[in-house]
Amino acid sequence: DAGITQSPRYKITETGRQVTLMCHQTWSHSYMFWYRQDLGHGLRLIYYSAAADITDKGEVPDGYVVSRSKTENFPLTLESATRSQTSVYFCASSTSGTSDTQYFGPGTRLTVL
Amino acid sequence: QKEVEQNSGPLSVPEGAIASLNCTYSDRGSQSFFWYRQYSGKSPELIMSIYSNGDKEDGRFTAQLNKASQYVSLLIRDSQPSDSATYLCAVNFKTGGFKTIFGAGTRLFVKA
Repeated sequence: DAGITQSPRYKITETGRQVTLMCHQTWSHSYMFWYRQDLGHGLRLIYYSAAADITDKGEVPDGYVVSRSKTENFPLTLESATRSQTSVYFCASSTSGTSDTQYFGPGTRLTVL
Repeated sequence: QKEVEQNSGPLSVPEGAIASLNCTYSDRGSQSFFWYRQYSGKSPELIMSIYSNGDKEDGRFTAQLNKASQYVSLLIRDSQPSDSATYLCAVNFKTGGFKTIFGAGTRLFVKA
């Protein structure tokens, strides 16, 4: 199916465990983004990628790791999950970074116990 | 610190009225401005983008940009109950790297 997908849609994990959230897009968009959304904070950028093998930090990168070996995939890893990382995570993509619409995936709701 | 500020609301308007949503931003160098709509439990979707001072109209929606005053607004005419959602203002900041900053969003309720 065309578009941008995220998996899993829901995840419950425990403090200290490693968790990887997957993001896949079929549009061949150059840019991909990871955001977290918490009540009162709106969407906050975690990491973004301008192309395969090019990534950069956003507003709140601490505790997260990303990679982008292929244009279509942009996984986000929480190396040692903490309760403060309980959130809804959105992946997005766009053709360019500065003036283009971002298209969002359906989101992953992560709960860290 | 790059900031985008929105009134969190909720903003309640009767059906058929005009809803006015406002957003201010801190960086005069900002180039691109966006309004996204987010229904509860769903992902954001773009409603309008605006890059130049003035008004931009698309159907019942009008985006207004005033770079001198550093604000951008969204007007929704003939508001419908289906417009009830959270509206996110997003600003692309012209910094050493690419940064899109989202406001916390304004919740809009349109009463039938």
